[in-house]
Amino acid sequence: TQLLEQSPQFLSIQEGENLTVYCNSSSVFSSLQWYRQEPGEGPVLLVTVVTGGEVKKLKRLTFQFGDARKDSSLHITAAQPGDTGLYLCVRNSNSGYALNFGKGTSLLVTP
Amino acid sequence: NAGVTQTPKFRILKIGQSMTLQCTQDMNHNYMYWYRQDPGMGLKLIYYSVGAGITDKGEVPNGYNVSRSTTEDFPLRLELAAPSQTSVYFCASNRGPDTEAFFGQGTRLTVV
Repeated sequence: TQLLEQSPQFLSIQEGENLTVYCNSSSVFSSLQWYRQEPGEGPVLLVTVVTGGEVKKLKRLTFQFGDARKDSSLHITAAQPGDTGLYLCVRNSNSGYALNFGKGTSLLVTP
Repeated sequence: NAGVTQTPKFRILKIGQSMTLQCTQDMNHNYMYWYRQDPGMGLKLIYYSVGAGITDKGEVPNGYNVSRSTTEDFPLRLELAAPSQTSVYFCASNRGPDTEAFFGQGTRLTVV
């Protein structure tokens, strides 16, 4: 099992603040996905990053894939209560057949 | 657009009982997965399948069994339920590696 370390584990901020969460591994990713999970629901894909150094934007969310493809970050600008949820980074296992999840960052945005 | 459908949504089992968690997808995905999610933890892989008739163990397979007789269905069987199996179970599917995975809404299982 390839470990994915996510930090911070918990984050509580006020509406309008910016934040960054991180996903790191000791091994190289072929690609990495970010999912968001809301309470009582299954995870939903936000983005897939494939190329080292890649930056993708999804409205107020900016995703970056490290140059060495061992780490990734998610930056949220001007967080809103609707951003509340569990953010999970996910990579394929070495076999390519399974998805390995980090423990996630639980984000709470209060009005 | 049903996607991935899991049943039941909630279940309480007594220790030693058995049950089957149902999962079906209508996207013609070859890959299907079962995960469990415990509080404060990410998702741990129980079993997966890369196509009908093919299944393999994930990270935490003990106490569970699966079958994949059709592309659409991937049931998870719990034999002799134990309190350690209290968790939220998610079924997922995708077309293959590096593609978007679609998840069901989960089954919250309590073993008492």
